[in-house]
Amino acid sequence: DGGITQSPKYLFRKEGQNVTLSCEQNLNHDAMYWYRQDPGQGLRLIYYSQIVNDFQKGDIAEGYSVSREKKESFPLTVTSAQKNPTAFYLCASSNRPYEQYFGPGTRLTVT
Amino acid sequence: DQQVKQNSPSLSVQEGRISILNCDYTNSMFDYFLWYKKYPAEGPTFLISISSIKDKNEDGRFTVFLNKSAKHLSLHIVPSQPGDSAVYFCAASGEEGGATNKLIFGTGTLLAVQP
Repeated sequence: DGGITQSPKYLFRKEGQNVTLSCEQNLNHDAMYWYRQDPGQGLRLIYYSQIVNDFQKGDIAEGYSVSREKKESFPLTVTSAQKNPTAFYLCASSNRPYEQYFGPGTRLTVT
Repeated sequence: DQQVKQNSPSLSVQEGRISILNCDYTNSMFDYFLWYKKYPAEGPTFLISISSIKDKNEDGRFTVFLNKSAKHLSLHIVPSQPGDSAVYFCAASGEEGGATNKLIFGTGTLLAVQP
């Protein structure tokens, strides 16, 4: 079964702690993306990576970090510097122009 | 500044009737447009797309229309079914020649299809 997995589905953290969200794909896609969704807003791009060992900042990268050591994996770390970390986080991948395929998402709640 | 706008936060239609979801964009460099459907607490799923060289693309009950001069696209669902109830996102790409595959998303329209 090919697809994108994100774990866990729900994540709770205390303010001031860093947290890493997992994203794995077995679609053999080169490009991977991280978005966040807030109520009443569209999906906003955090980081993206077109090939292994390379990634670029999206529109709202402050307070986040990523790595792309393997083609299949693109973990996102939400650092304590992110002022409003509570959100729904979505990972996506793509192997052709434009169309992206999304994982099921992780809802992060920071209190 | 929002480059892709969905001005209707919600839409309610009766089962069997047509649903029309609208999307406006400001960047004339966009050359590819997509619609995604999203259920609560799930990731978006790709629905249908259209290239800027076309003005219409049809896939079963779903048709997307593109009016480049007005920078407007719309998604028609005929006939609407209760299972179509979801948030629909419009997305656009191409401002960097598609090389980065970056998508710009609208804020979404919540469609409710009443039985």
